[in-house]
Amino acid sequence: GNSVTQMEGPVTLSEEAFLTINCTYTATGYPSLFWYVQYPGEGLQLLLKATKADDKGSNKGFEATYRKETTSFHLEKGSVQVSDSAVYFCALIRGGGSNYKLTFGKGTLLTVNP
Amino acid sequence: DVKVTQSSRYLVKRTGEKVFLECVQDMDHENMFWYRQDPGLGLRLIYFSYDVKMKEKGDIPEGYSVSREKKERFSLILESASTNQTSMYLCASSPQGGGRTEQYFGPGTRLTVT
Repeated sequence: GNSVTQMEGPVTLSEEAFLTINCTYTATGYPSLFWYVQYPGEGLQLLLKATKADDKGSNKGFEATYRKETTSFHLEKGSVQVSDSAVYFCALIRGGGSNYKLTFGKGTLLTVNP
Repeated sequence: DVKVTQSSRYLVKRTGEKVFLECVQDMDHENMFWYRQDPGLGLRLIYFSYDVKMKEKGDIPEGYSVSREKKERFSLILESASTNQTSMYLCASSPQGGGRTEQYFGPGTRLTVT
């Protein structure tokens, strides 16, 4: 079946540091890949997505590239801010048919200190 | 602005009570979902619905049921609440489109069963 593995946290960084959160997946077919973010006390919101191999998703300074050869979708940001403190979830939907179900990783808590 | 709302942010119920969690979306989406979120386990799908009066079991349906009488509303029902159902419950919706579409999440309901 489908699965998503992301690096365990918590991750603690200083402001302006470089961020990488690793995510690898197992899926049949050609999944779409997503990063969701959950700020304290809120629901999840989509951060970025990629729907085919070599696509790069980007938003708010975050980037992730869909790498089919390594089945990875690592999240990166060049300079984090205190406001980026949140839980980050990697997720996939297997493409095709009527499969609407998201498969999530377990989440990575990021804390950015001033 | 897209919106998914949940009836309560916090709820405290007693063991054995029947509990209703309500979710409403204003985006005319076909698909709706109920997840629970627990520390260290990430998000797990309870039930989803791809049309009015249609439902499918997710990964952890035991102890739950759902109702979708109108397109915009999806209810999660705990027939007899138990302490192991203490959790954060997240509702989501998505448009028809299979594996390429993102899901939009509500703010969550934190349920405590005592």
